Amino acid sequence: NAGVTQTPKFRVLKTGQSMTLLCAQDMNHEYMYWYRQDPGMGLRLIHYSVGEGTTAKGEVPDGYNVSRLKKQNFLLGLESAAPSQTSVYFCASSYRVGQGDHEQYFGPGTRLTVT
Amino acid sequence: DAKTTQPPSMDCAEGRAANLPCNHSTISGNEYVYWYRQIHSQGPQYIIHGLKNNETNEMASLIITEDRKSSTLILPHATLRDTAVYYCIVRVEENAGKSTFGDGTTLTVKP
Repeated sequence: NAGVTQTPKFRVLKTGQSMTLLCAQDMNHEYMYWYRQDPGMGLRLIHYSVGEGTTAKGEVPDGYNVSRLKKQNFLLGLESAAPSQTSVYFCASSYRVGQGDHEQYFGPGTRLTVT
Repeated sequence: DAKTTQPPSMDCAEGRAANLPCNHSTISGNEYVYWYRQIHSQGPQYIIHGLKNNETNEMASLIITEDRKSSTLILPHATLRDTAVYYCIVRVEENAGKSTFGDGTTLTVKP
């Protein structure tokens, strides 16, 4: 199992550009999440999904959109990047409540710089 | 989800036990205590979780006080590779993942 993978690993954008971050998991997890981590801080939840075709807002959703068209993939989009979105982005997945363990499995992260 | 309070940093000598405290005085009856760690800039890694009883696995032990208002993560024989940020998170099982990780405790294991 590859676990949770994220593409790309690094990206530099200019202000106003758009991009999509891809998260993929091969553990048949129902739940998937996107977090951001700014330097020296903990992770903050951006959006999450409790199943294919569903998405919901987390703590800091503004400026981001997500889609979960396939169970194994969760996409995070930035329509018009801003310097404040410079951060490390982590994706995670987990089982549905009652289906398996409580653990969240994290990807290696995507380092995004917006200039 | 209940709020947690952790010391910002701690040191531990290699080979000694590392005891990381977490205060969660507003915890409610159906909220679990979870611990994760983040080594350098990697994705966080699950360590252990518990509801009421003390728990132990191959990585660590979790001691939860009887009133459940605080807990301690114990790494029995800390190694240099245990240097990381440790996060204590309190939430109900249904909210798994739908919460922010606080700033955590930076544990530095010294030779």
